[in-house]
Amino acid sequence: AQSVTQLDSHVSVSEGTPVLLRCNYSSSYSPSLFWYVQHPNKGLQLLLKYTSAATLVKGINGFEAEFKKSETSFHLTKPSAHMSDAAEYFCVVSDGASSGTYKYIFGTGTRLKVLA
Amino acid sequence: DAGVIQSPRHEVTEMGQEVTLRCKPISGHDYLFWYRQTMMRGLELLIYFNNNVPIDDSGMPEDRFSAKMPNASFSTLKIQPSEPRDSAVYFCASRRTGTGGNTIYFGEGSWLTVV
Repeated sequence: AQSVTQLDSHVSVSEGTPVLLRCNYSSSYSPSLFWYVQHPNKGLQLLLKYTSAATLVKGINGFEAEFKKSETSFHLTKPSAHMSDAAEYFCVVSDGASSGTYKYIFGTGTRLKVLA
Repeated sequence: DAGVIQSPRHEVTEMGQEVTLRCKPISGHDYLFWYRQTMMRGLELLIYFNNNVPIDDSGMPEDRFSAKMPNASFSTLKIQPSEPRDSAVYFCASRRTGTGGNTIYFGEGSWLTVV
């Protein structure tokens, strides 16, 4: 079975300071991991993905995440927050490539607030 | 290339009425997913299809919910009869085998309110 835990439901940062959104996963196989962003009343947009290539993954809008197998983590970071980063962020795990069943499991989300 | 297209974007209906949500996946994609998003339960996978065949419907809440995929370019999620607790945002997503690193692409969602 696979699961994902987002450790913080809310994170507040000041504009221009670093962002860290934490995600831990569990999978019986080699997982694919994703971060999606959802702005208010909008759909979900892919930020970045890990699919067993480089462990440090760069995404859109300056975000990046590092896959750490020993810690079963896939934390999302950004060096400097912008007001437009305020949104809800979802960590997603899928072991479909290994297991053959394509259930994408979503974390409960982290709401990022950026203070001026 | 057009993204995943969902309709209607917003629907308000009365309890007991039938609701039909529609989805057109990205052309060439062979997997289609239906998710429901609520404040209480977050994003839940309801059902997914591969090559128009339902693979896993274990997330469908009860018999009032049904989903079909008559062809590769169209799927419906039906609720009959609808209840206020069905109020949620329903997302459709699709992916293509073998490309894109297993990425799924989401539509803009259908905002359903049952009064």
